[in-house]
Amino acid sequence: KAGVTQTPRYLIKTRGQQVTLSCSPISGHRSVSWYQQTPGQGLQFLFEYFSETQRNKGNFPGRFSGRQFSNSRSEMNVSTLELGDSALYLCASSTHPSPTYNEQFFGPGTRLTVL
Amino acid sequence: AQSVTQPDIHITVSEGASLELRCNYSYGATPYLFWYVQSPGQGLQLLLKYFSGDTLVQGIKGFEAEFKRSQSSFNLRKPSVHWSDAAEYFCAVVTGNNRKLIWGLGTSLAVNP
Repeated sequence: KAGVTQTPRYLIKTRGQQVTLSCSPISGHRSVSWYQQTPGQGLQFLFEYFSETQRNKGNFPGRFSGRQFSNSRSEMNVSTLELGDSALYLCASSTHPSPTYNEQFFGPGTRLTVL
Repeated sequence: AQSVTQPDIHITVSEGASLELRCNYSYGATPYLFWYVQSPGQGLQLLLKYFSGDTLVQGIKGFEAEFKRSQSSFNLRKPSVHWSDAAEYFCAVVTGNNRKLIWGLGTSLAVNP
């Protein structure tokens, strides 16, 4: 069974631009969560989607948004990029959403650099 | 607010030596507890988890962890470290009704040959 895939793996953007990251979960997994990882803040939860609905949201500004499609693939979008948005963005999939907790399987991440 | 503390930012051990990585959490009830490992360029891989029951948990790659309620700790151990264990290790907890994962800042492990 293929793992979680994320595209692109690396991305370089300039301030003010917007970016869209994609995540394909493990086949059969319907829950997708997104995390931002930075050296100073560690891993921070962005949001969780299940059956095309946002189930949970972290403390990020409205510039960060996401969506999930009927095939469970998910995208996250960051508008008006800031230097501080440079990070590794991780996607994780699981069979069920919160509050039922199931093991999350992580993708390799997308490394976003904002210049 | 709930929090997870990994006191050691960086640890270096010799190959074959034993290892203990510390994790403390702040939460009123017993949370779900996890250890993940992240190798360079790789996603996070679950090493082990504790939900309930036996407080000594066995995981993959020869790792184990012990939940100590009185100390609010969930330390990760390995009796003999291999060079391939060099990686970043993260402790995480799931708390509250919304079941969000809260992460420690990680411990970077280097292994000397």
